[in-house]
Amino acid sequence: SQTIHQWPATLVQPVGSPLSLECTVEGTSNPNLYWYRQAAGRGLQLLFYSVGIGQISSEVPQNLSASRPQDRQFILSSKKLLLSDSGFYLCAWGGVQGVREQYFGPGTRLTVT
Amino acid sequence: SQQGEEDPQALSIQEGENATMNCSYKTSINNLQWYRQNSGRGLVHLILIRSNEREKHSGRLRVTLDTSKKSSSLLITASRAADTASYFCATATMDSNYQLIWGAGTKLIIKP
Repeated sequence: SQTIHQWPATLVQPVGSPLSLECTVEGTSNPNLYWYRQAAGRGLQLLFYSVGIGQISSEVPQNLSASRPQDRQFILSSKKLLLSDSGFYLCAWGGVQGVREQYFGPGTRLTVT
Repeated sequence: SQQGEEDPQALSIQEGENATMNCSYKTSINNLQWYRQNSGRGLVHLILIRSNEREKHSGRLRVTLDTSKKSSSLLITASRAADTASYFCATATMDSNYQLIWGAGTKLIIKP
């Protein structure tokens, strides 16, 4: 069965510090991968998605970036965090044939101080 | 962009009652999906209904889809305290093979 891992679970970082969040998927090949951000009590904002290694599409201009160095690894990064980057970050994977179900990791709670 | 809009934004009912949440959307869809999110956790897929389907059941869940009104409803029958969560609808639109468009969610509280 497929499993998706995210770490760390929580993170407190000062403004201006770098960020690296990692997501890995097990049990599937060539998945579509997604990074979302969720503000408290709100819906999901799509940040990036990837349909293959090295292929990244950005949905929202910001100081975040994403990379997919391996088929089942998706990384969210920032060189310098802003206060507004605080939120709940969710990684998800979906199948390659059309847009069907997405499967989510447990999320990372990021607080920028 | 957020195409789906759920209502109500929040719903509080007694355990054992039925809970109904609605979702409206704007553009043509391939399918519509409902997800549940427990506080501080990831989302869990509940049910997917295709654009050519009108109703679908899964256990205590019943989803309807009215493409003429661009709306869907999620009914949870005989609610339990464990159903307390936020519920989101998401649509797969005709013009994208990769993305889901998410609503803002309904926060459901089941009182024991």
